[in-house]
Amino acid sequence: GDSVTQMEGPVTLSEEAFLTINCTYTATGYPSLFWYVQYPGEGLQLLLKATKADDKGSNKGFEATYRKETTSFHLEKGSVQVSDSAVYFCAPGGYNKLIFGAGTRLAVHP
Amino acid sequence: GAGVSQSPRYKVAKRGQDVALRCDPISGHVSLFWYQQALGQGPEFLTYFQNEAQLDKSGLPSDRFFAERPEGSVSTLKIQRTQQEDSAVYLCASRTDDNSPLHFGNGTRLTVT
Repeated sequence: GDSVTQMEGPVTLSEEAFLTINCTYTATGYPSLFWYVQYPGEGLQLLLKATKADDKGSNKGFEATYRKETTSFHLEKGSVQVSDSAVYFCAPGGYNKLIFGAGTRLAVHP
Repeated sequence: GAGVSQSPRYKVAKRGQDVALRCDPISGHVSLFWYQQALGQGPEFLTYFQNEAQLDKSGLPSDRFFAERPEGSVSTLKIQRTQQEDSAVYLCASRTDDNSPLHFGNGTRLTVT
């Protein structure tokens, strides 16, 4: 069945550091790919998405590129802020459901 | 507009009790999903509706779990004879169509004592 593997956390960074959170997946066909974020005390929110190979999703300074050849969708940000502290979930999705990774907790310190 | 609304926000049940969790999706959203999120884990798929039809219930962990969406809008997830391992946050999500992202509610945190 479909599955996703993402980098284990927690990831602890200083403000303005570069962030990469790795995500690889196995899926039937070519699913859409999503990153969701869960801020402390809040529900899951869509961060960005890509619907086909080589698409780049971006939002709030975060980016991820749909790599079909490596079945990956790594999340990057050039300069993190304290307000980016949250749990990040990679989720490939077909027409009927999303499969979520275990989540990567990011803690950014000033 | 209003987002996905779930109630109650918190539920404490004694082992063996039945519980019912409610989800009000965003108006007009055809698809509705239930997920279970254990502490420190990602959401695990439970079941999926398109309008009133339950198209996939492969993630329901046992026959104690039952979900319905009789009029294609509000959905209820029912857990009978709750067990301690049912303790988790139950998330509801909806979307307009297959190509749209999921919009999540804030979840119901169920604690079985």
